[in-house]
Amino acid sequence: DADVTQTPRNRITKTGKRIMLECSQTKGHDRMYWYRQDPGLGLRLIYYSFDVKDINKGEISDGYSVSRQAQAKFSLSLESAIPNQTALYFCATSDSGGIGNEQFFGPGTRLTVL
Amino acid sequence: GQSLEQPSEVTAVEGAIVQINCTYQTSGFYGLSWYQQHDGGAPTFLSYNALDGLEETGRFSSFLSRSDSYGYLLLQELQMKDSASYFCAVRGGSMDSNYQLIWGAGTKLIIKP
Repeated sequence: DADVTQTPRNRITKTGKRIMLECSQTKGHDRMYWYRQDPGLGLRLIYYSFDVKDINKGEISDGYSVSRQAQAKFSLSLESAIPNQTALYFCATSDSGGIGNEQFFGPGTRLTVL
Repeated sequence: GQSLEQPSEVTAVEGAIVQINCTYQTSGFYGLSWYQQHDGGAPTFLSYNALDGLEETGRFSSFLSRSDSYGYLLLQELQMKDSASYFCAVRGGSMDSNYQLIWGAGTKLIIKP
């Protein structure tokens, strides 16, 4: 089984709809992240969490919210989706040991907002 | 502002050597990482340099010069499976920003037989 899973893998929705993307991990890591990837722009950090009671905004948090339901679960919500939120979304995890620690990514969710 | 510059595309021949450069301008620097991403896949970690010099891992090596705000990824004995996008990412910022990763836009490596 994959260490970091994301559901759904693909989603098409309409403007104004509420959408939730879910992420689960079995790596036992404390830290979890949500990124957005757009063509030619690399990865941009939306939100991150260092433990269940810790939530932090990233570079592009406007229009998004998150919930850390448990150490293993971190969900991303779009309260009212808009077309420019069409992108590939990745969840990632890392352990808390050291600044250079590797991030482990889920397979991604491709979201299209019409 | 904070930025990372890397070429958008590099082409090389199977069996050859290729170097992908990354220059950065960030407030604070705590290390340079490289990730590989195949089309339709997730990024996967390749290397991390916190100090100046060359780190070697098999066919891949990564170099850092902090005084030049520059690093590169060197891929040797290129194989077709190395065709992918390669991202540099700097751990920068400060304690307030929890030293988050700042990503480059990626370099698409095209390998020809």
